[in-house]
Amino acid sequence: AQKVTQAQTEISVVEKEDVTLDCVYETRDTTYYLFWYKQPPSGELVFLIRRNSFDEQNEISGRYSWNFQKSTSSFNFTITASQVVDSAVYFCALFFGNQGGKLIFGQGTELSVKP
Amino acid sequence: GAGVSQSPSNKVTEKGKDVELRCDPISGHTALYWYRQSLGQGLEFLIYFQGNSAPDKSGLPSDRFSAERTGGSVSTLTIQRTQQEDSAVYLCASSSRAGGATDTQYFGPGTRLTVL
Repeated sequence: AQKVTQAQTEISVVEKEDVTLDCVYETRDTTYYLFWYKQPPSGELVFLIRRNSFDEQNEISGRYSWNFQKSTSSFNFTITASQVVDSAVYFCALFFGNQGGKLIFGQGTELSVKP
Repeated sequence: GAGVSQSPSNKVTEKGKDVELRCDPISGHTALYWYRQSLGQGLEFLIYFQGNSAPDKSGLPSDRFSAERTGGSVSTLTIQRTQQEDSAVYLCASSSRAGGATDTQYFGPGTRLTVL
């Protein structure tokens, strides 16, 4: 079965704390893609990152970093020095080639950053 | 450039009525997707278009739901005889290559449907 699990439903931190959002996926495909999207209170899903199954290099973009580990089927997302504007729901998603165009989403993690 | 746009942004309807939701993809994007976001079910795939054809309709929950795409651009999602369980936010996304695994899906702001 193809599945994405985000076990953390809600996380609350104080501004400037680091926070890691967990994502665990299941797939039997050897070729697949993983995504993170941010959904702020305005509601629109904003693309953050795409990673393919053959590239396990970690990626850093400003305060954001992603840790992809095939051995544990995880694709975790860390925000360093969190800010109030980071408050949103974050979704991890899986795409695999034999399922046409659809993304399989996790249930989302609601992050609240308090000043 | 302009992103994915959807209309209306909000729709309130009575049970049993038909509704049409519209999506304008990013110009030049050949692939278009509909998803539904509801409290109990999270984000669910509904249908995917490659040009004007729909190779994957597997997510449409019942035959009351249909979608079409004309001219390889605008898409309309129609829900007939709406039920209260149809209440959700309907999201549209587009990507530049039809079904391309390497392509990113960019989402519109959604249409919030409330069925009374």
